[in-house]
Amino acid sequence: RKEVEQDPGPFNVPEGATVAFNCTYSNSASQSFFWYRQDCRKEPKLLMSVYSSGNEDGRFTAQLNRASQYISLLIRDSKLSDSATYLCVVTHNYGQNFVFGPGTRLSVLP
Amino acid sequence: DAGITQSPRHKVTETGTPVTLRCHQTENHRYMYWYRQDPGHGLRLIHYSYGVKDTDKGEVSDGYSVSRSKTEDFLLTLESATSSQTSVYFCASKTSGRADSTDTQYFGPGTRLTVL
Repeated sequence: RKEVEQDPGPFNVPEGATVAFNCTYSNSASQSFFWYRQDCRKEPKLLMSVYSSGNEDGRFTAQLNRASQYISLLIRDSKLSDSATYLCVVTHNYGQNFVFGPGTRLSVLP
Repeated sequence: DAGITQSPRHKVTETGTPVTLRCHQTENHRYMYWYRQDPGHGLRLIHYSYGVKDTDKGEVSDGYSVSRSKTEDFLLTLESATSSQTSVYFCASKTSGRADSTDTQYFGPGTRLTVL
């Protein structure tokens, strides 16, 4: 079993839809949590950090449930430009090591 | 965006030849990382460095070596390239070793390596 697992996707949604991504992690000692996005043939880029209290950045909301070892990302009012692969990331070893999930691909359709 | 560059951006080589990929960062970040990304596997850590001359192995280190003689440069060497090392290689860096939600990794643009 992989340390970080995500919805297999791909998700194909119309513009304006709300879409939710799920992620689970197996290492209970994981310390920090992030969502990255990766456009086709590009490098991963930080989308947002994930805090235990939940956090929001515009149309994006991230949630963390440490007890269930579960992370989520909600995108509201999706735009064509949101089309990308979304990577769930956890860290351990005092933040030295990042473990990436396999990613979930999103296509927002006109 | 963090100032991280990789060279070369594309390389085609033959099995058995040595290959060196370079990562250069201008952020004075202490930590640097090499990953490979393959379909079905996602990003996998090859080696990382926690300071000049300080390196450690990652998940898929066999067949790879690294060196860090300066803060800004982290080299990845394939001593004798094999077809299984055909991949996209990403370098990343970050400021510190804190388990801090604000201390994240920044990636270079990647190197596409093909081993024939």
